[in-house]
Amino acid sequence: GQNIDQPTEMTATEGAIVQINCTYQTSGFNGLFWYQQHAGEAPTFLSYNVLDGLEEKGRFSSFLSRSKGYSYLLLKELQMKDSASYLCAVRDILTGGGNKLTFGTGTQLKVEL
Amino acid sequence: EAQVTQNPRYLITVTGKKLTVTCSQNMNHEYMSWYRQDPGLGLRQIYYSMNVEVTDKGDVPEGYKVSRKEKRNFPLILESPSPNQTSLYFCASSPHGGGSNEQFFGPGTRLTVL
Repeated sequence: GQNIDQPTEMTATEGAIVQINCTYQTSGFNGLFWYQQHAGEAPTFLSYNVLDGLEEKGRFSSFLSRSKGYSYLLLKELQMKDSASYLCAVRDILTGGGNKLTFGTGTQLKVEL
Repeated sequence: EAQVTQNPRYLITVTGKKLTVTCSQNMNHEYMSWYRQDPGLGLRQIYYSMNVEVTDKGDVPEGYKVSRKEKRNFPLILESPSPNQTSLYFCASSPHGGGSNEQFFGPGTRLTVL
């Protein structure tokens, strides 16, 4: 099985930088995703990591350390519209084939003026 | 427009009355999945399908059925809904089950079972 931990809530200031951490325990790691979800809406894809290191995409970056079972999502130049829940999701290779994606409970980010 | 659609978007029903939530994608994706989202519990996978006629249980399959008779559709069936199935349901699809393939989510179906 999997265990995914991320903080429940975070607050940051507009224009600042915020780092959202995610730790996981898994037996057949096959990739880690970050999704953004605004209240009442569907999750939307932000980033994917399968190898160690940093993936940068505009104001968003995601880092992975497989040996530590650790990832973070870095949001720069925060904007009010970044207020949302950020979901960490880990994919496992299943015994017998196939993949399974398990989501963390999400980190609710509030961006303040 | 490439998208995942779900119907209905909102449904209030009563215990025991069979219902089906439809999911359709127009991207020719092989992989489709159903999730439920509850406060404090996050997104939990109900069932998934790697391809036509191939379905498997996720983490919380009890009380649900699915079918995958054609690639584009993946309906979720509640044979005898109960109040603990009140939740926000999302259907998702991706080209394949592996690789860097992100999942594309439908808009969600908010179900209330009285």
